[in-house]
Amino acid sequence: KNQVEQSPQSLIILEGKNCTLQCNYTVSPFSNLRWYKQDTGRGPVSLTIMTFSENTKSNGRYTATLDADTKQSSLHITASQLSDSASYICVVSLLSGTYKYIFGTGTRLKVLA
Amino acid sequence: SQTIHQWPATLVQPVGSPLSLECTVEGTSNPNLYWYRQAAGRGLQLLFYSVGIGQISSEVPQNLSASRPQDRQFILSSKKLLLSDSGFYLCACPRGPPGTEAFFGQGTRLTVV
Repeated sequence: KNQVEQSPQSLIILEGKNCTLQCNYTVSPFSNLRWYKQDTGRGPVSLTIMTFSENTKSNGRYTATLDADTKQSSLHITASQLSDSASYICVVSLLSGTYKYIFGTGTRLKVLA
Repeated sequence: SQTIHQWPATLVQPVGSPLSLECTVEGTSNPNLYWYRQAAGRGLQLLFYSVGIGQISSEVPQNLSASRPQDRQFILSSKKLLLSDSGFYLCACPRGPPGTEAFFGQGTRLTVV
């Protein structure tokens, strides 16, 4: 069964601290993996995309890693800001005739002042 | 540029009433289109996807239906709403060829009372 699992479910950190979010997937055949940020009541917005051959990719204070062998990805947020408070969703694209997106349940991050 | 319009943004409907949510896409042609539902505190669940006019695939058995009367129009409907239909509904399509970043509308918050 194609699944994407994320941990932790929720996380509270102080402003300025770093944090790492985890994503494990059992999607096959794998096309790519993306991390999205979803503010409350809004649609998800893409942060970064990881293809099979990429191990690390950065987008500002966000750094994503991918281990295609163990089927794990992480999203590291450096020097967190209050505006980072949101849900972070790991999405794996299934390489099929219709290219489905398999969503994780997300990690709710709360950054406190 | 590509945009997705969803309306209404919020909706409160009584149990047993009909539903029609509309999604239109601009800036692209013949896109794959997707309807997702996000229950409170849960991840996004794929409800329907469409690869073209009149072509609808359902992912989960449910009280809802979808239609695609035009290339850039995707409609989510119900004849009789249930309490369990409450949630946040998102329309999505790839920014480019199938498998590229999923681009989301702003969503519709449906509350069935």
